[in-house]
Amino acid sequence: KQEVTQIPAALSVPEGENLVLNCSFTDSAIYNLQWFRQDPGKGLTSLLLIQSSQREQTSGRLNASLDKSSGRSTLYIAASQPGDSATYLCASMTTDSWGKLQFGAGTQVVVTP
Amino acid sequence: DTEVTQTPKHLVMGMTNKKSLKCEQHMGHRAMYWYKQKAKKPPELMFVYSYEKLSINESVPSRFSPECPNSSLLNLHLHALQPEDSALYLCASSQVGAGVTDTQYFGPGTRLTVL
Repeated sequence: KQEVTQIPAALSVPEGENLVLNCSFTDSAIYNLQWFRQDPGKGLTSLLLIQSSQREQTSGRLNASLDKSSGRSTLYIAASQPGDSATYLCASMTTDSWGKLQFGAGTQVVVTP
Repeated sequence: DTEVTQTPKHLVMGMTNKKSLKCEQHMGHRAMYWYKQKAKKPPELMFVYSYEKLSINESVPSRFSPECPNSSLLNLHLHALQPEDSALYLCASSQVGAGVTDTQYFGPGTRLTVL
């Protein structure tokens, strides 16, 4: 069974600093990996999806990388802003379980002004 | 438009009540999902519908009964729930098929409290 881990569980940075969020997974036979943002009490907002054949995806200030051989994905957020404060979740889907996202526990981010 | 809507936003029910949660999307997605999320925990998959047919049931108790009446609508019927079923229930949808990007788009959730 796929296990997804996110370390650290919480992170606090001053505004303007770059954020680096880590996600590791045990089964390298992934179909895709998705990064989400969740604000307290709200639903999930999709940030980026990386297919298994891709090494990275970029959207604005966000960049996500994928290294299947080491079982890792990293989400970079450039020039953080207080509005980036949220919980960030990564989730992977393996090739033998289409549709089933296995989530990490998330990293809670606080960006201080 | 990448919107998934869910109603109601909040629901309080007793253990003997019957209620339903509703989810709707108009993105032409043919896969729809129900997740359960407890406080400070990640979402856990409950059910997956693909082309209106149940394709994954993650051993969910029978007091939760999903229904997909058409490609845009997903319901979750609730009956005889327990207090430990109190959680945020999230619906999601995605495309299906080779060559598509199967990003899952989530709704805002229904906050359920079982008394």
